[in-house]
Amino acid sequence: GNSVTQMEGPVTLSEEAFLTINCTYTATGYPSLFWYVQYPGEGLQLLLKATKADDKGSNKGFEATYRKETTSFHLEKGSVQVSDSAVYFCALLRATGKLIFGQGTTLQVKP
Amino acid sequence: DTEVTQTPKHLVMGMTNKKSLKCEQHMGHRAMYWYKQKAKKPPELMFVYSYEKLSINESVPSRFSPECPNSSLLNLHLHALQPEDSALYLCASSRLAGTTDTQYFGPGTRLTVL
Repeated sequence: GNSVTQMEGPVTLSEEAFLTINCTYTATGYPSLFWYVQYPGEGLQLLLKATKADDKGSNKGFEATYRKETTSFHLEKGSVQVSDSAVYFCALLRATGKLIFGQGTTLQVKP
Repeated sequence: DTEVTQTPKHLVMGMTNKKSLKCEQHMGHRAMYWYKQKAKKPPELMFVYSYEKLSINESVPSRFSPECPNSSLLNLHLHALQPEDSALYLCASSRLAGTTDTQYFGPGTRLTVL
């Protein structure tokens, strides 16, 4: 079946540190992949997406590359800020329109 | 503009009440979704509407009744809920219910069932 696995959190970093949040997936076919971010008390915001192998999604300094050979879509940012503290969800999109989410990774950035 | 609005922001209801959640988008999207999110968990799909017709019901109990009166509006009618139904209810929309169409989420309604 289709599934998404994310690294467990919380991830605690100092400001300006490098961020990696691992995401791997299992799917039939080649689904689109997404990263969403959820700030406390809010809904989900799209962070970035990739629709085919080797695509790189990027937004606000965050990047992720769709790797078919390793079935991965790891999220990276070169220098995190306190304002990046949130929960990050990796997700794949099935043909029916159903989003399958990973468990979420909480990021805490300390000044 | 990628805005999905939801009302109310918070809702407290008793187990015998009937209430409705409302979702609206004006992006011309033809697919709309309801998700349920429990604390510290990812969202779980409940319903998908495509061109105002229900296309997916993820075995949701009948005390939740969705309605799509037009292409911009999505309602979720609630009746005889249980305390375990307390959660954040998220609405989303996308251009189509397809394999590449990004879903845009609203801010959610936080529901508490007493």
